[in-house]
Amino acid sequence: AQSVTQPDIHITVSEGASLELRCNYSYGATPYLFWYVQSPGQGLQLLLKYFSGDTLVQGIKGFEAEFKRSQSSFNLRKPSVHWSDAAEYFCATWYSGGGADGLTFGKGTHLIIQP
Amino acid sequence: ETGVTQSPTHLIKTRGQQVTLRCSSQSGHNTVSWYQQALGQGPQFIFQYYREEENGRGNFPPRFSGLQFPNYSSELNVNALELDDSALYLCASSLVSSGANVLTFGAGSRLTVL
Repeated sequence: AQSVTQPDIHITVSEGASLELRCNYSYGATPYLFWYVQSPGQGLQLLLKYFSGDTLVQGIKGFEAEFKRSQSSFNLRKPSVHWSDAAEYFCATWYSGGGADGLTFGKGTHLIIQP
Repeated sequence: ETGVTQSPTHLIKTRGQQVTLRCSSQSGHNTVSWYQQALGQGPQFIFQYYREEENGRGNFPPRFSGLQFPNYSSELNVNALELDDSALYLCASSLVSSGANVLTFGAGSRLTVL
C-alpha cells in the first residue's frame, strides 16, 4: 500500500528565512504527489502537484517542490516565509486500486513562524 | 465560481446516535469524496461518489454511508456513533471520477461525540 511520511511534526522558522518541509513516499511506480495547506478553521488548499514532466514544480504563494525519485522524496520549499504561512502542511499521494481511489495523506507538519 | 460548502460547521452528538453531514460541490464538479481528519492526523479517505453511486471506499465500516444527489451535492451519514468518530469531516469535489485528479476541499464539519 502507498504511504506518505512527513518526518517533522513541528518546524519553527523565522520570518524572512527559507523553508523546507520534507515528504517521503512509498510507491513502486511514478506517484502523483500533492502538497496541501490547512489554516485554522479552513479546508485544505492545494499548493502544487506533480503528475509527470519537470521534477521542479511551482505552486501558489511562492512555494515550489522537487520530485526526486532516487530519494522517494517530494520536499516543499519557499525562499522567504511570511507570518501568514503559519499553518499545517500536508503531503499526499494519489492512491488507485483495491476499490479505493483517493488521496493518501501524511500526518502533516505544523509550521510556526517566529517574528 | 462557488467553492465547496459544508454544513453544519460544528455539532455535538452522543455515542450511539446518528449524524448527517452535508456538502455542496464546486460548480461544474461531478464527483464528491469524503475524508475523516482526526485531531493531529492527516485526512483519511472514506469514500467517493460519482453518478450517485459509491465508486471507491477506504477502510471504513458500513455504518459510514453516503449519498450523492442529481445536483452533485452529497451527504455523509454515520450510524451508531462511537467516541473515535470525533473528527473533522472534509468533503471534496472534483471533475473526474477516476485517476489522479485535483480535489477542492470544503472547510469541514467538526463532529464531537460524547
